[in-house]
Formats: sequence, structure tokens, C-alpha cells
Amino acid sequence: AQKVTQAQTEISVVEKEDVTLDCVYETRDTTYYLFWYKQPPSGELVFLIRRNSFDEQNEISGRYSWNFQKSTSSFNFTITASQVVDSAVYFCALSETYMNSGNTPLVFGKGTRLSVIA
Amino acid sequence: GAGVSQSPSNKVTEKGKDVELRCDPISGHTALYWYRQSLGQGLEFLIYFQGNSAPDKSGLPSDRFSAERTGGSVSTLTIQRTQQEDSAVYLCASSSRDFTTGDEQFFGPGTRLTVL
Repeated sequence: AQKVTQAQTEISVVEKEDVTLDCVYETRDTTYYLFWYKQPPSGELVFLIRRNSFDEQNEISGRYSWNFQKSTSSFNFTITASQVVDSAVYFCALSETYMNSGNTPLVFGKGTRLSVIA
Repeated sequence: GAGVSQSPSNKVTEKGKDVELRCDPISGHTALYWYRQSLGQGLEFLIYFQGNSAPDKSGLPSDRFSAERTGGSVSTLTIQRTQQEDSAVYLCASSSRDFTTGDEQFFGPGTRLTVL
């Protein structure tokens, strides 16, 4: 069965600090996709990144970076030099594959509420 | 606009009434998903459409919930005889179902349903 665990419910940091959001997943599939979404106070889910299970390269996009480690089933997200605008709820999600018909719906973690204080 | 749209943005109804929630996916997206976000349960999958067919309805919580999609585009989620526990934000997402790039799902702004 699929499962995504985000153990950190809430995190508070002071602006310019680095912060890492943890994500641990469970799946029996060998082909799967991992995602991070941001949900700002406005409520709309914003896509941040997708990773497939065959690509363990870490990725950096501006102040954001992601560390995918299959050995520990983790897909952690780091924000460097955090800013007040980073305050949001961040969701990690997992998608497997239906046989020959695309990807299964997303299974989300419970989310981590990040507050960045000026 | 080019994104997923949902209507209404807010809906307040009385217990026992039926409600219809609408989703307009991104043009050309063949896959459409409904999710529900509530305080106690987080984000939960409800139903998935591929074209007009729904190969996965496993997340619908009861037979009071149904959904349809017409013309491979607009989808309507109907909740009959609403209960207070149905109060939540109902989110719709669509994707192009591109196997090679992992089916990124784009989400709409949601419909906030309040059942009094």
C-alpha cells in the first residue's frame, strides 16, 4: 500500500534560515513518482517538483533543493535562506502506475506548515 | 484562463440538500481527478476520470457521492443528502497523462463546501 509520512506538522524559522522538510514514503511499485506541492494561504496547490523513481539525482532550483534517497525511501525538501513568502503548507505526494494506463492518483502526506518570521 | 477552474468557490448548504460542484480542466488534459481536503483527514483522493470514464472510484466515501464527466472536459461532483461531515474543500486536478513525464497534476482553486 502507498503511504507518505511528513513527520513535521509545523515548523517555524526566522527569515534567512535554512529549513528542511522531511518526507518518507512507502510503495511496492518499482516505478513511481514523487511530488512536492506548496499551498499558500490563498489555498491553491502549487506544483513544485516531480521526481521519478529511476532518477535519484538531487535537484536545485533557486533557493529550493530536493534530496531523493531510495535507500531510505525519503524525498526531503530544503529551502535555503528562507523568506516570509515561503510561509505555506507543503505537501509531499506519491503516485504509482496503473498497468498501461498512466499514473495513479496522488497519495499525500499530512503536510508541514512552515512559518517564516521576519 | 489557462488553468483549472472550479465553481462555485464557496457553497453553503443545509444538511440533507444536494449539491453540485463543477470542474473545468485545462484544455486537452485527458485525466481529471477529484480530491477532498478536510482538517481531520488531510488531502484524500475521491475519483479519477480518463476521458469520460472513471476507472478508479475507490475514494468516494459513500453512495451519496457521484461524479460524471462529459465531452472529455467538464466534470461535476454531486453530493446527495449532504451531511455535516461532508464539509471540506473539494479540489479538482487535471493532467495530460504523459507517461514519460510523470503525469504532473495541476490543481484548481477548490470549492469550499460548508454543510450547516
